[in-house]
Amino acid sequence: AQSVTQLGSHVSVSEGALVLLRCNYSSSVPPYLFWYVQYPNQGLQLLLKYTTGATLVKGINGFEAEFKKSETSFHLTKPSAHMSDAAEYFCAVTVNSGGSNYKLTFGKGTLLTVNP
Amino acid sequence: NAGVMQNPRHLVRRRGQEARLRCSPMKGHSHVYWYRQLPEEGLKFMVYLQKENIIDESGMPKERFSAEFPKEGPSILRIQQVVRGDSAAYFCASSQGIQSTDTQYFGPGTRLTVL
Repeated sequence: AQSVTQLGSHVSVSEGALVLLRCNYSSSVPPYLFWYVQYPNQGLQLLLKYTTGATLVKGINGFEAEFKKSETSFHLTKPSAHMSDAAEYFCAVTVNSGGSNYKLTFGKGTLLTVNP
Repeated sequence: NAGVMQNPRHLVRRRGQEARLRCSPMKGHSHVYWYRQLPEEGLKFMVYLQKENIIDESGMPKERFSAEFPKEGPSILRIQQVVRGDSAAYFCASSQGIQSTDTQYFGPGTRLTVL
């Protein structure tokens, strides 16, 4: 079974600073990896995903993540934080094995606050 | 194109009552998933349904919980005789297919509080 660990339940950055949200996964087979964002009182919105191919994945709103197999990581970054980036971010994993690649396993989430 | 709709957004029940949570998938999506988020936890998969069929309920508690996705109307997650431990946010997602390229789109969730 796969699992996800998000380091840091709460990250605080200044506006304009680098955003780095950490995600490590555990999987016995090649994973599919996702980052979702949840704004207050809204559903989860997909930021980006990695399935196969290029390991650096670009998403919406200037975010990107890099799949590093050797480090079992999929950290989310953005060069310059905006106030509108304040939200909760979830990393998720699934695998293409046994026909159950729909079953997402989520981390506990990281709450990002952006200070003016 | 409307997103995934869930209602109610907030639901308060007393112990022993029934809770019914509704989910309308995005237009054109025939695959529905329910996830539960307990306090301080990530979302946990509960069940995957297609129209009139439960495909995978491996994450659903064996008792008191049931789900359906009828031919007409929304998907329903039903919790009978609720207990305090059922207090959580319940999220519904839908997708067009189940390939790795098919994104799951999530609704805003229903926050259930059991008194």
